[in-house]
Amino acid sequence: EPEVTQTPSHQVTQMGQEVILRCVPISNHLYFYWYRQILGQKVEFLVSFYNNEISEKSEIFDDQFSVERPDGSNFTLKIRSTKLEDSAMYFCASTQEGQGRYQPQHFGDGTRLSIL
Amino acid sequence: GEDVEQSLFLSVREGDSSVINCTYTDSSSTYLYWYKQEPGAGLQLLTYIFSNMDMKQDQRLTVLLNKKDKHLSLRIADTQTGDSAIYFCAESTGSGGSYIPTFGRGTSLIVHP
Repeated sequence: EPEVTQTPSHQVTQMGQEVILRCVPISNHLYFYWYRQILGQKVEFLVSFYNNEISEKSEIFDDQFSVERPDGSNFTLKIRSTKLEDSAMYFCASTQEGQGRYQPQHFGDGTRLSIL
Repeated sequence: GEDVEQSLFLSVREGDSSVINCTYTDSSSTYLYWYKQEPGAGLQLLTYIFSNMDMKQDQRLTVLLNKKDKHLSLRIADTQTGDSAIYFCAESTGSGGSYIPTFGRGTSLIVHP
């Protein structure tokens, strides 16, 4: 069964540094998502992306965050100047469709981001 | 805003039934989901139910929905050690074509011999 893959599995970064988390969604999927889960807390929606633009974003997704689909396969989340509170597990997900018809989201295994 | 609550831990003996409970606040919830997260892995959609249904059964899994009380449960029959994982309840309203789910904190299911 096709999978969403995320790299790296664990990223350790100094506070203030930029970090890019990478995801390869399932190949025929059109909608892409980022979520995060701070240790012991809920899985929180960050952003959804379709047709090369952001379709929805949460309050968490401020100017420090950006997403990009640099080529036909990768979907990236960039955090410009990391803070300690950005430490979390970041999950990428994709769906075949997202508007007007329910499609289950397929999740990657996550990237654990640790900010020192 | 929407909120989804579930207990944090459940411990059961192998072979018994497990029942994981969840409550939600958004009365306009259209879809309710159960996800499973095994150690080191992502969230796997186990099952989902539309709000106009009371029950859904899929092999060992039974989902019960009490829309009046905004209560969702997942019953796992004949629980096995391989069922040990974190189970997330989630809901979405589907309004405006958006199905972004709101998740609970997850219930850690521990299955012991």
